Amino acid sequence: KAGVTQTPRYLIKTRGQQVTLSCSPISGHRSVSWYQQTPGQGLQFLFEYFSETQRNKGNFPGRFSGRQFSNSRSEMNVSTLELGDSALYLCASSFLQGDTEAFFGQGTRLTVV
Amino acid sequence: GDSVTQMEGPVTLSEEAFLTINCTYTATGYPSLFWYVQYPGEGLQLLLKATKADDKGSNKGFEATYRKETTSFHLEKGSVQVSDSAVYFCALSQTSGDMRFGAGTRLTVKP
Repeated sequence: KAGVTQTPRYLIKTRGQQVTLSCSPISGHRSVSWYQQTPGQGLQFLFEYFSETQRNKGNFPGRFSGRQFSNSRSEMNVSTLELGDSALYLCASSFLQGDTEAFFGQGTRLTVV
Repeated sequence: GDSVTQMEGPVTLSEEAFLTINCTYTATGYPSLFWYVQYPGEGLQLLLKATKADDKGSNKGFEATYRKETTSFHLEKGSVQVSDSAVYFCALSQTSGDMRFGAGTRLTVKP
């Protein structure tokens, strides 16, 4: 069965713009989490969605937001982009909230110039 | 809060050498422990996991044992191959949505 699909794979944006990233979880999985990966900070948790509701949130500013649709697909949005937002954004899906095992997509590489 | 500390890299080994990457954790309760591997330009792939004390996770010749007494989950492989070159992440999770990762250890295996 298909894995976690993230689109687009690569993105270049200008400071001040906003961006939307998409994640389609494994079929049947209902929990989607987002992570930011940078060389300096490593992998950091952004937020988790389950049944269209944000269940958990990491320590990121309000410019980072997300949502989940009824088919479990999720989007994350970053507004007013800063150079420091350049990162690999990874999405992970799990069958249920509370499952400790997560399956990751290939990520979206965002470059802010 | 919960955290993971893993051995700083990079680690360079010759093919067929023995590999150990150390990982220790700090957590309340009884987390599940994981090793993920990341190849260049890719996302994270689950390598192995253990969900309770004394469990041994294993996959593709890699092993790690959940040691509660030493709060450790060290990754080992008896004979590494060039294809094992990647970045390895130790992680813990108490719920699926907030996984805590170590800083990653880059492994290079030379022929």
